[in-house]
Parts: sequence; structure tokens; C-alpha cells
Amino acid sequence: ETGVTQTPRHLVMGMTNKKSLKCEQHLGHNAMYWYKQSAKKPLELMFVYSLEERVENNSVPSRFSPECPNSSHLFLHLHTLQPEDSALYLCASSLSHSGANVLTFGAGSRLTVL
Amino acid sequence: QKEVEQNSGPLSVPEGAIASLNCTYSDRVSQSFFWYRQYSGKSPELIMSIYSNGDKEDGRFTAQLNKASQYVSLLIRDSQPSDSATYLCAVPSGNTGKLIFGQGTTLQVKP
Repeated sequence: ETGVTQTPRHLVMGMTNKKSLKCEQHLGHNAMYWYKQSAKKPLELMFVYSLEERVENNSVPSRFSPECPNSSHLFLHLHTLQPEDSALYLCASSLSHSGANVLTFGAGSRLTVL
Repeated sequence: QKEVEQNSGPLSVPEGAIASLNCTYSDRVSQSFFWYRQYSGKSPELIMSIYSNGDKEDGRFTAQLNKASQYVSLLIRDSQPSDSATYLCAVPSGNTGKLIFGQGTTLQVKP
């Protein structure tokens, strides 16, 4: 596989469920990101990891918990979510976390919270 | 003031016309500017980047940057129906890779 792969592509969960989103990049990049995209709103940066270390946590509620076990994999653990958390969650990677670097996005995980 | 502002549109142009997409940003020290295209139901993909004042051309696409006015635009010449998408302007803020996106402008090219 090439590029940035996200699974699952679609997820429906109840507010009491625990689930995880997975992202894998095959580009040899050192930085990985989680973005949230809601209807009619700009892309919101949630987390930035550089070489498995979190370098940015953009005031995200604790019901979202990221994990980066190595530079190729990134997870977003979800628990006790709210209906307003329903959105498209996009993973991205770049060579480094410098702002000048181009992001490569995965296809996204469409989350619906009932 | 929003950090990156775009008119959400939709911007509707006839096939073959020039589509002009505009973006303003608030961080005066920004040095890099990106345009991403996002088709409905798909993820964003980079189409243009620009770092210096002036114009940068790539095929039918031209990015224009005016740092003094904090303004970046994207021109699409000979617009095609396949150009119909949402165009996202993005500007880095700070040194943490925090790319700030605008709301996006939806472009509709009518045959």
C-alpha cells in the first residue's frame, strides 16, 4: 500500500462505546496529524506528532486520546463521545512538523455518534 | 478576525471561464501558502504552494501572493466541470506544523 491509509472508513457508535481510528503512512514521513472536519467549518487541527512525540494538543476534549507507537502509525481512541463529535476525521503526514511542509491526507474516517 | 478567511461560495462559472478564488490571512510572518482541492466525499490534496510575492503558474492554475496585503489567490483558467470542488487555502502558524485552513470555497463549473 502507498500513501496514508485510514481505517475504518465509516464508524457508527453510541455515546457509551469505545472505539479507535487507525492511520498508517507508507511515505517515510516523521510527522503525523489528526484533523477534524465538520460540515460548514474549517479543518480543525487536533493533534500533531513528530517522531512519536506529541508536539501539539489543540485543546481537544479528553474523550479523544491519541497514540503514536511509531512514526508510521497513529491512533485516535474514542470514548464517551457526544453527537456533536460526528464528523470526518482526517489523518495526515508530512516530512517534518515544520509549517512549510506539505501534508498528505488519508481518505478519512466518517464518524457518526448516536 | 479569522486567521484564514475565504468566501464559502458557491462560486459558479461557465466551462472555459477563469475562476478566481481568494484568501486573506492574519499572520504577517507567514512564509508559506498552500491551496488544497477537496472533491466531495474525498480528502484534501495539494494543488499549489507559493512562497514568494508574485505569481506562480502550473498548467491551468496560477497562485498569486501579495504579502503586504496579506492576500493569496488561485486562478483557474479554462475551467472544466472536473474542477468543481472545494478549494482550501492553508497558511502555517507558528513552528509546530499547525496549518490553519480556511473554510474553503466551493467552485461549480457548469458545462
